Amino acid sequence: KAGVTQTPRYLIKTRGQQVTLSCSPISGHRSVSWYQQTPGQGLQFLFEYFSETQRNKGNFPGRFSGRQFSNSRSEMNVSTLELGDSALYLCASSIGQGLEDTQYFGPGTRLTVL
Amino acid sequence: AQSVTQLGSHVSVSEGALVLLRCNYSSSVPPYLFWYVQYPNQGLQLLLKYTSAATLVKGINGFEAEFKKSETSFHLTKPSAHMSDAAEYFCAVSGNNDMRFGAGTRLTVKP
Repeated sequence: KAGVTQTPRYLIKTRGQQVTLSCSPISGHRSVSWYQQTPGQGLQFLFEYFSETQRNKGNFPGRFSGRQFSNSRSEMNVSTLELGDSALYLCASSIGQGLEDTQYFGPGTRLTVL
Repeated sequence: AQSVTQLGSHVSVSEGALVLLRCNYSSSVPPYLFWYVQYPNQGLQLLLKYTSAATLVKGINGFEAEFKKSETSFHLTKPSAHMSDAAEYFCAVSGNNDMRFGAGTRLTVKP
């Protein structure tokens, strides 16, 4: 079974731009979660989607948003990029809803904001 | 609110030696606890997960962790380190619709 895939793997943007990251979960998984990883703040939970609905949300500004499609694929959008948004963005999928479920992570998208 | 503290940002062991990575958690509800490993330029891979079924949890690659409620700890151990164990390890706690990770411990294995 194919793992979680994320596209693109690397991205360079400039301040003020917006960006969309994509995540395809493992087949049969209905939950997708997003995380931000930076050297300074470490790993932080962004949000979780299940059945096309955001179920849980971390402590991030409204510039960070996401959605999930009927095939469980998910996109994450960051508007008005700031230098501090430079990070590795990780997507994880799980079978059921809830962060207690075992999550399988993708390789991440490395975003650099110049 | 939940939190995780990993004691020691860097741990160095010799090949064949015991690996001990420390994790303490804080949670207002019965926690789910996880250990993940991250290799360079890769995502996280689950090593093991505590779900209250048993206090001693066995994971992949010879790792195990023991849940100690009285100490609010969930330390990760492996009896004999292998060169391939060199990576960054993260402890995490979930509950109350939130997930928190520790800052990570980088494990170095010396030949």
